[in-house]
Amino acid sequence: EIVLTQSPGTMSLSPGERATLSCRASQSVRSSYLGWYQQKPGQAPRLLIYGASSRATGITDRFSGSGSGTDFTLTISRLEPEDFAVYYCQQYGSSPITFGGGTKVEIK
Amino acid sequence: QVQLVQSGAEVKKPGASVKVSCKASGYTFTTYYLHWVRQAPGQGLEWMGIINPSGGSTTYAQRFQGRVTMTRDTSTSTVYMELTSLTSEDTAVYYCARVSGKMAIGDAFDIWGQGTVVTVSS
Repeated sequence: EIVLTQSPGTMSLSPGERATLSCRASQSVRSSYLGWYQQKPGQAPRLLIYGASSRATGITDRFSGSGSGTDFTLTISRLEPEDFAVYYCQQYGSSPITFGGGTKVEIK
Repeated sequence: QVQLVQSGAEVKKPGASVKVSCKASGYTFTTYYLHWVRQAPGQGLEWMGIINPSGGSTTYAQRFQGRVTMTRDTSTSTVYMELTSLTSEDTAVYYCARVSGKMAIGDAFDIWGQGTVVTVSS
């Protein structure tokens, strides 16, 4: 099983700032099958990034993903009020599919 | 539009079973695999398994083997997830989610149901 470790657990930032979220895998993620999801309270997760760096349909270019192998990053270039949420990484290249523990981006 | 609509909240006693439904619409039901994911209160996301709506084949996460059954009804474009021998640790929001492509493993989850709250309490 691939274990995904996200850091930091929580980050406190102000609107307009840049957020850099990390996701580290315990072993290489096949074919960069790594996704990022945003979840707001009381809502289902929403796909932001797939294939480590491709934005999902309708996702603003403020969100970008990078990385390969075992180290991946989600960057939010300029935080908007609606971006404050919890973000999860997911590897879907091998079974069992696994998620990271999440990073909460909160308003400073 | 493409959507997954799940059944309503459930309250169950320890030892009981729960069956959650997920009705698909807006696309060809048999084309895309569907996964189940759960989220305990204040916790992260946990993958439970996958079903192929076309043939009905399933793969379950090891920790749920023997306790979970995923089925589908192609006549109503609905998948079901039944979990037995419930304990308080099964209290969670249960989500169904559709893959974005044609692969069981290898495609991200682009469409999610709204979630079904299952509470296990005596």
